[in-house]
Amino acid sequence: KNQVEQSPQSLIILEGKNCTLQCNYTVSPFSNLRWYKQDTGRGPVSLTIMTFSENTKSNGRYTATLDADTKQSSLHITASQLSDSASYICVVRTGGGNKLTFGTGTQLKVEL
Amino acid sequence: DARVTQTPRHKVTEMGQEVTMRCQPILGHNTVFWYRQTMMQGLELLAYFRNRAPLDDSGMPKDRFSAEMPDATLATLKIQPSEPRDSAVYFCASGLVMGVNTGELFFGEGSRLTVL
Repeated sequence: KNQVEQSPQSLIILEGKNCTLQCNYTVSPFSNLRWYKQDTGRGPVSLTIMTFSENTKSNGRYTATLDADTKQSSLHITASQLSDSASYICVVRTGGGNKLTFGTGTQLKVEL
Repeated sequence: DARVTQTPRHKVTEMGQEVTMRCQPILGHNTVFWYRQTMMQGLELLAYFRNRAPLDDSGMPKDRFSAEMPDATLATLKIQPSEPRDSAVYFCASGLVMGVNTGELFFGEGSRLTVL
């Protein structure tokens, strides 16, 4: 069964600190992996996409990594800001069938 | 600024009533998805359309839920009769499929449904 598990479930950090969110998946065959950011009361917005051949990709203060061998991805946030407070959702697409499997998200809260 | 538009943003209704949620996908997108989000389950796929044809509605309770795309600019999700367990945020998302690769999904702001 295709599954995507994220950890931690929730996280509180101080403004300016770094943090790393984890995503482990058992989706097969793998097509790509996206990280979405969902602000409270809003729809998810794509942050970055990782394909099989990519190991690292950055989008501003967000850096995603992918290890296709261990089926793990991480999202690293550098110098966190209050506006980073949101839910971060890992979504893995299967090849061929174009099915999406969603993780349940990591709820991040950045405090002063 | 292209965006997915959903209405209503909030809906409170009583058990047994019919609820209709509407979505206007981004012009030019050929796929439309309906998702339901709850605290416990996260985002669950309810229905998936490509070029207005339903491809996957296996996640949708068929006895009370129905999803349609009467034209390329409108997708609807109907619940009849509604039940308290249907209370959730319903998201519509659209995207562009080219070949075997599906691109980014663009989500609407969601419709928060409360069934009393």
